[in-house]
Amino acid sequence: DGGITQSPKYLFRKEGQNVTLSCEQNLNHDAMYWYRQDPGQGLRLIYYSQIVNDFQKGDIAEGYSVSREKKESFPLTVTSAQKNPTAFYLCASSSGGLGEQYFGPGTRLTVT
Amino acid sequence: AQKITQTQPGMFVQEKEAVTLDCTYDTSDQSYGLFWYKQPSSGEMIFLIYQGSYDEQNATEGRYSLNFQKARKSANLVISASQLGDSAMYFCAMSSPPNYGGSQGNLIFGKGTKLSVKP
Repeated sequence: DGGITQSPKYLFRKEGQNVTLSCEQNLNHDAMYWYRQDPGQGLRLIYYSQIVNDFQKGDIAEGYSVSREKKESFPLTVTSAQKNPTAFYLCASSSGGLGEQYFGPGTRLTVT
Repeated sequence: AQKITQTQPGMFVQEKEAVTLDCTYDTSDQSYGLFWYKQPSSGEMIFLIYQGSYDEQNATEGRYSLNFQKARKSANLVISASQLGDSAMYFCAMSSPPNYGGSQGNLIFGKGTKLSVKP
């Protein structure tokens, strides 16, 4: 089955630690995205990548980093510099242009 | 700047009735896409329906239809014959055109409407 996987579903970390969220897709999509969702809010774009080895900052990139070494994978690292990292993180992919994005199941990160 | 507005934080509908979820958008671009996503309590975003800015006919997908009024910049979602499983958050989103500030196809989301279907 084609789709997007994110792991783990729930993640707990201590303040001051970096943490990496996984995102893998087998849809053969060129573009991949990371969004953050806070309670009662819509999604906000963190980073996106249109092609392997290239990525761009979104609206709220501070305190996050990404890599795109393979077409299928777009991991997100939440660094200790992110002041309020507790949130729901969603990864998405698309074939690009104005086409729809397909989302993974999300990772709920709690930092204490 | 592009913006999506959903003015209904919550909506109730009786099972088997139709419901309309409102969405207005703001953009100066001529080419754009409009989307609706459903987010159940599990958290996953499920794509429902798409409308391109140049599409003359309203999009339909099964029980979902998009009432696109370009001059009013509205893209309301109509769900016919509501089911209990339709209870979820619904998000309207707009995509920026390719190469707009280097952001090909990025989605801008509204804050969502929580739909509750009553038996």
